[in-house]
Amino acid sequence: QQQVKQSPQSLIVQKGGISIINCAYENTAFDYFPWYQQFPGKGPALLIAIRPDVSEKKEGRFTISFNKSAKQFSLHIMDSQPGDSATYFCAASNGSGAGSYQLTFGKGTKLSVIP
Amino acid sequence: GAGVSQTPSNKVTEKGKYVELRCDPISGHTALYWYRQSLGQGPEFLIYFQGTGAADDSGLPNDRFFAVRPEGSVSTLKIQRTERGDSAVYLCASSLSGGRDFQFFGPGTRLTVL
Repeated sequence: QQQVKQSPQSLIVQKGGISIINCAYENTAFDYFPWYQQFPGKGPALLIAIRPDVSEKKEGRFTISFNKSAKQFSLHIMDSQPGDSATYFCAASNGSGAGSYQLTFGKGTKLSVIP
Repeated sequence: GAGVSQTPSNKVTEKGKYVELRCDPISGHTALYWYRQSLGQGPEFLIYFQGTGAADDSGLPNDRFFAVRPEGSVSTLKIQRTERGDSAVYLCASSLSGGRDFQFFGPGTRLTVL
C-alpha cells in the first residue's frame, strides 16, 4: 500500500521555466511534509518542509502548496536551472507512540532542466 | 563531523554472507534512523533509535536484520544470511532530538548481494 503517491515520474523543463511536482497522501494523521532533493550517488537533502496549518511556504525559488482537504501537496520550482536537475522526493510523517517520526516517501520525480 | 557519514560506501557480498553497515551521525544528534532505498524507489523506513534504544523497529523486513547503537552515537546495521533481494542503498539519517526535527541523511551504503 503506497501511502504517498508522487507524480510525474519524470519531468523535463526548459531553463527558466516552472517545475511542478505533485503528491497525494492517504493517512490523515500525517502532520509534517518535507521535500528532499537527491543527486546521483548522494543521500537525500532536505529542501523545504511544511506543516498542515499552513497552505503555502516559500523559500527562494522553491514553494510548497498544501491542500489539506484534498490531501495533496506540491512543489513548485520557479526559474528552473540546470543545477536543479536531480530526483525530488516528497515525504510525510506523523509521530508514533514510540516518538518515531519515520518518513514515508513518494517514489520520486526525476527532473531534467535543459538549457 | 560536519554531516552524517556511512561506511563502507559500497559493499559487495555473496548470498548467505553476513554484513555490517556503519553510520556515524551528526555530533550531538540523539535520534538516528535507518532507511533502505531500492533502485528507482523512495527510501523506506527500517528502524529508529532514540539514544541507545531502538524505539521503533517496525520497518525491519525480517529477523535477518538487526541494528545496534550501544553508546548512543555510532550505529551498525547487521544483515545475516544475505539474499539477492537485500541489494539496495542503505541510508542513515540523524536528527537533533527526534520528533519533527529535520532528518539529515548520509550518502548511503550501496549493498550488492551476488
